[in-house]
Amino acid sequence: SYELTQPPSVSVSPGQTARITCSGDALPKQYAYWYQQKPGQAPVLVIYKDSERPSGIPERFSGSSSGTTVTLTISGVQAEDEADYYCQSADSTVVFGGGTKLTVL
Amino acid sequence: EVQLVESGGGLVKPGGSLRLSCAASGFTFSNAWMSWVRQAPGKGLEWVGRIKSKTDGGTTDYAAPVKGRFTISRDDSKNTLYLQMNSLKTEDTAVYYCTTEVRGSYYVYFDYWGQGTLVTVSS
Repeated sequence: SYELTQPPSVSVSPGQTARITCSGDALPKQYAYWYQQKPGQAPVLVIYKDSERPSGIPERFSGSSSGTTVTLTISGVQAEDEADYYCQSADSTVVFGGGTKLTVL
Repeated sequence: EVQLVESGGGLVKPGGSLRLSCAASGFTFSNAWMSWVRQAPGKGLEWVGRIKSKTDGGTTDYAAPVKGRFTISRDDSKNTLYLQMNSLKTEDTAVYYCTTEVRGSYYVYFDYWGQGTLVTVSS
């Protein structure tokens, strides 16, 4: 079955740039999406179609794609960005990555 | 403002049944494809299934772990989505989220989420 692979954790200091990767064989053919989830809250869409940002999402969130890997980049990380981040795509079914915990040191 | 409000969660014994509801507002529910996504305690997100709009056939799709046990339905007159869960297993314990699904050629994603309702399957 199709899988998306994310690193379990990423740590950055405030003001630095965080990069979270997501790898999957179908990513060259399918778009990827990113969701932010803070403790006790529902996920929030932060990037769609690899690199588009929904209204209301800060400009410091961006997405990119290269081959079988997509990357969520958070520039100038703030304390409020500490959360779990999930990538998602679809092949024959909807698939989520395992999630990456972003820690702001 | 789009609002999705789930209800119906609770404690149920293995083998039991439960029906979740999701009340929708702030958008044209009858035109929307809707999905359920769940999250086991301390774990990641897992897509459960979807129902298409009636104009697109109103059919359903399910993830393998729930196929044959779970049924998704909708009542467009009440702007409400349902998830009927039968033959529940301990591994179905999770927060269940109702979501709106956006899809087209080569893309499918979830733009609005409810706050979730917790289902605990335990003896």
